[in-house]
Amino acid sequence: NAGVTQTPKFQVLKTGQSMTLQCAQDMNHEYMSWYRQDPGMGLRLIHYSVGAGITDQGEVPNGYNVSRSTTEDFPLRLLSAAPSQTSVYFCASRDGRRVGETQYFGPGTRLLVL
Amino acid sequence: GEDVEQSLFLSVREGDSSVINCTYTDSSSTYLYWYKQEPGAGLQLLTYIFSNMDMKQDQRLTVLLNKKDKHLSLRIADTQTGDSAIYFCAERGRDDKIIFGKGTRLHILP
Repeated sequence: NAGVTQTPKFQVLKTGQSMTLQCAQDMNHEYMSWYRQDPGMGLRLIHYSVGAGITDQGEVPNGYNVSRSTTEDFPLRLLSAAPSQTSVYFCASRDGRRVGETQYFGPGTRLLVL
Repeated sequence: GEDVEQSLFLSVREGDSSVINCTYTDSSSTYLYWYKQEPGAGLQLLTYIFSNMDMKQDQRLTVLLNKKDKHLSLRIADTQTGDSAIYFCAERGRDDKIIFGKGTRLHILP
């Protein structure tokens, strides 16, 4: 198993540009989440999904869109990037059907918005 | 909404025990977690505790949960230089969202 993969590893955008951060998992996990990590702020939940076709907002959803058309993929879209979206983005997944299961994290995507 | 609070820094001498504390607000939390993040890396799950447990021990790690006070702690016995990292407390509520604290940076003194 590759686990949770994220692409790209690094990205520089100009204000107003759009892009999609990719996340995929090969563990047949139902639950997938996107977090952003900023210095002194810990991890904040952006959006999450409890299964294909179902998404919901987390703590800081504004400026981001998600979709979950398959179990494996959970892309995060920035429609019009802003400097405030400069951050490290982590995708995570977990089974959701077993007691006490582990949440697995991807390696992260570092995004700089100029 | 849910909130998870941790102190931001902790310094401990090598060989001593480290105790990292966390408080949370969601009384319906089902699981509480401790994650470790080393510099430039992702998050690694260290341990978790179910909300109806008081204590869980796993080698050098001891987790204590006081559900009445909504207080969680992580004790690392015989702290080593490799334990230097940021430690995140996280809670999973009944809505299944997992919310993280801001992280405690553990610094090991020689």
